[in-house]
Amino acid sequence: DGGITQSPKYLFRKEGQNVTLSCEQNLNHDAMYWYRQDPGQGLRLIYYSQIVNDFQKGDIAEGYSVSREKKESFPLTVTSAQKNPTAFYLCASSSTEFNEQFFGPGTRLTVL
Amino acid sequence: AQSVTQPDIHITVSEGASLELRCNYSYGATPYLFWYVQSPGQGLQLLLKYFSGDTLVRGIKGFEAEFKRSQSSFNLRKPSVHWSDAAEYFCAVGPRSARQLTFGSGTQLTVLP
Repeated sequence: DGGITQSPKYLFRKEGQNVTLSCEQNLNHDAMYWYRQDPGQGLRLIYYSQIVNDFQKGDIAEGYSVSREKKESFPLTVTSAQKNPTAFYLCASSSTEFNEQFFGPGTRLTVL
Repeated sequence: AQSVTQPDIHITVSEGASLELRCNYSYGATPYLFWYVQSPGQGLQLLLKYFSGDTLVRGIKGFEAEFKRSQSSFNLRKPSVHWSDAAEYFCAVGPRSARQLTFGSGTQLTVLP
């Protein structure tokens, strides 16, 4: 089955530690996205990538970094510079032709 | 800049009743419009989308939405709500020339038995 996988589903980290969230897709989509979701605030775009080895900052990129070395993979690193990292993180992808985005199941990150 | 407003933070309906969730957008040209649904702790699932053509679009699970350009609205409707429809619903708008979507803040739907 084609789809998007995110791992892990739950992640706990101590304050000051960097953490990397995984996102993989087998839909052959060119574009991939990372969103942060907080209660009552909808989805906010962190980073997006339209092609391998290229990515752009979204609305809230500070304290985050990404890489896109393979078409299928778009990992997100939450760095110690992110002041309030506890949130639900969603990865999505879309094809060249349409703007419709498909979402993964999400990773809930809790920083203790 | 594009934006989406979902005026209702929380809506409660009885099972079997009709439903309408409001979405208003701001965008300079004809946009792509979407409705997504999210169950607790899950990702978003696409309910329906509008790209062009017939302004009344039908999606999965018996949902439909109507694009009204004059009102900049794309309201979601369902004639008879089921308990399994309880979830959070997000409206999104995106330009035709790029791939970024702007999401509304969501409407939480509670269904009473």
